[in-house]
Amino acid sequence: AQKITQTQPGMFVQEKEAVTLDCTYDTSDPSYGLFWYKQPSSGEMIFLIYQGSYDQQNATEGRYSLNFQKARKSANLVISASQLGDSAMYFCAMREVYQAGTALIFGKGTTLSVSS
Amino acid sequence: DTAVSQTPKYLVTQMGNDKSIKCEQNLGHDTMYWYKQDSKKFLKIMFSYNNKELIINETVPNRFSPKSPDKAHLNLHINSLELGDSAVYFCASSQGNTIYFGEGSWLTVV
Repeated sequence: AQKITQTQPGMFVQEKEAVTLDCTYDTSDPSYGLFWYKQPSSGEMIFLIYQGSYDQQNATEGRYSLNFQKARKSANLVISASQLGDSAMYFCAMREVYQAGTALIFGKGTTLSVSS
Repeated sequence: DTAVSQTPKYLVTQMGNDKSIKCEQNLGHDTMYWYKQDSKKFLKIMFSYNNKELIINETVPNRFSPKSPDKAHLNLHINSLELGDSAVYFCASSQGNTIYFGEGSWLTVV
């Protein structure tokens, strides 16, 4: 069963507009962490934002904010005032517990295209 | 200084060959990973090491063998390369909730 679901394969937005990228997750652990990464066409994975399950407030990092709705198991990324450089693939991820360690499991990603 | 560096960045090789990808991190992190990103951009964990000890091995064919000579290095050796091994391989390191990825190694098997 998919643990991280990103239902939007592609999103289109104009410069200066805000955009929300959806992410829902599935876990029975009370303690977990959620991450968003950006992958531009050059291919590197850029960490954007982190939200812990016990964090009282939604995480924010500059123009990025995470709309964390625990009861709905959603962790949407909000990008305010989109810029052309925001065009990239965006991945939602959750820390998964394995037998002896933890690792990130990723959603399938959303491609964001920002136009002028 | 690059925090997590991988070499080579691009690798084109023939089926049946053996190749290695090297990874080094200068962040002082205890845990390192190898991820594979397939042609559909799906990222999947392959291995994880903590302080040179293998802690995650996710049903990867045994043609893939990770080696960690010290906690700052995690190398990936692939024997008898197959067409399906063509992918981008990412090294990552973490400490707590901070997880950083290398720039990726593009492997093409022809």
